Amino acid sequence: EPEVTQTPSHQVTQMGQEVILRCVPISNHLYFYWYRQILGQKVEFLVSFYNNEISEKSEIFDDQFSVERPDGSNFTLKIRSTKLEDSAMYFCASNTRRTSGEVKFYEQYFGPGTRLTVT
Amino acid sequence: GENVEQHPSTLSVQEGDSAVIKCTYSDSASNYFPWYKQELGKRPQLIIDIRSNVGEKKDQRIAVTLNKTAKHFSLHITETQPEDSAVYFCAASRSETGGFKTIFGAGTRLFVKA
Repeated sequence: EPEVTQTPSHQVTQMGQEVILRCVPISNHLYFYWYRQILGQKVEFLVSFYNNEISEKSEIFDDQFSVERPDGSNFTLKIRSTKLEDSAMYFCASNTRRTSGEVKFYEQYFGPGTRLTVT
Repeated sequence: GENVEQHPSTLSVQEGDSAVIKCTYSDSASNYFPWYKQELGKRPQLIIDIRSNVGEKKDQRIAVTLNKTAKHFSLHITETQPEDSAVYFCAASRSETGGFKTIFGAGTRLFVKA
């Protein structure tokens, strides 16, 4: 079964540095997402992306964050100047286009996550 | 803003008993309600979902109910097994042209004692 993949699995960076987290969504999916989960807390929506533009973002997704789909397969999250509080697990997710099989459209598939540690 | 309340935060049951987790959402435009199971250090895994035009859905030992008027939805796990032990998250999603905005509850840590 196809899966969403993410790299790296763990990223350690110093405060103030830029990081890029990478995701490869499932190949025929058109809707892409980033979530974060601070250790022991809930999953938080960051951003949704469709047709090469952001469709919705949360209050967390400020000017320090950006997303990009640089080619036909990758979907990236960039944090320009990391803060200690950006330390979290970042999950990418994707889902497919609307089809007559509604259940397939609705299910979001999550990647394994990238653990970001800011020191 | 949108919010999803989830209770209880921790639930301990004996193997074979039932477990019930309840959620309340605030965004009346929410139309899709997935439930995820997350084991330590792993990704959230969808276990069941329900759309707003359905009141109840069952899949083997797992069932979900939705009361749109009250903005409540619940997860029921029957005949619990030790491998059901995990953190369970409810979520409420609002579908837009460009995908979903999904708000998660705070999670319920379920312990199933053998």
